[in-house]
Amino acid sequence: KAGVTQTPRYLIKTRGQQVTLSCSPISGHRSVSWYQQTPGQGLQFLFEYFSETQRNKGNFPGRFSGRQFSNSRSEMNVSTLELGDSALYLCASRPDSSGSYGYTFGSGTRLTVV
Amino acid sequence: QKEVEQDPGPLSVPEGAIVSLNCTYSNSAFQYFMWYRQYSRKGPELLMYTYSSGNKEDGRFTAQVDKSSKYISLFIRDSQPSDSATYLCAMSRMDSSYKLIFGSGTRLLVRP
Repeated sequence: KAGVTQTPRYLIKTRGQQVTLSCSPISGHRSVSWYQQTPGQGLQFLFEYFSETQRNKGNFPGRFSGRQFSNSRSEMNVSTLELGDSALYLCASRPDSSGSYGYTFGSGTRLTVV
Repeated sequence: QKEVEQDPGPLSVPEGAIVSLNCTYSNSAFQYFMWYRQYSRKGPELLMYTYSSGNKEDGRFTAQVDKSSKYISLFIRDSQPSDSATYLCAMSRMDSSYKLIFGSGTRLLVRP
C-alpha cells in the first residue's frame, strides 16, 4: 500500500515568488492535514481538509492557502514568499475525521527561500 | 510555557539498553496521545497511538499515559542502532483531533 506522497521533495524559490506543493494521501484516506516544521518552532499545524473542505486552519497568515480535490489529493500554496517560510512542509492523512486513527505523514517538501 | 514539553536530548545509550522517553503537558483536555519517530530528511513515522490513559505495547515499544500527572512515556526495549532517530510526542483534544500538538523531539543515539 503506497504511503503519503509529496512532490516535489525539494524546492528553491526567491523571496516574493509563490509556490505550490502537492500531496497524495493514502488510498481511501479522506482527511488531509498540513504541517510546517522548522528547527526553531518544531511542527506547527497549518490546515486540515476533509471532503474538499478546509475545516480548520492554524495560526498562519493568509499567504498560506490550500485546497483538496475530489480524489482527496491536496495542494498548498504560499504566495509572496519570505525568508522565514523556509521549512519542511509535511502532509499527513488519515481515513476519516474522527480521532480513531493517527495521522500518517509523507516525507515532506523542503522549501528554501533565498 | 509550551503546551507540550519534551527534553531535546541528545540521549546516548548502548545497544541493548532500555530507553525511556518522556513528555509532559499542561492541557488536561488532551485525549489522544501519539509517538512518532523521525529519521533525518524523512517525515515522522507513527509508532504508537493511544486514547486516554493506560499502557499499550507493540513489539519492543511500550507507550504509557498518566493523565493524572499529565505525563506520557515511550519505552524501547533491546534498543538497536537503527532506533537512532528523533522521537516526537504528539497529542490532541477530542474536539479537535485534527490538530496535533507536538513536543520538540528527543534525539536518540544507540551506540553499537
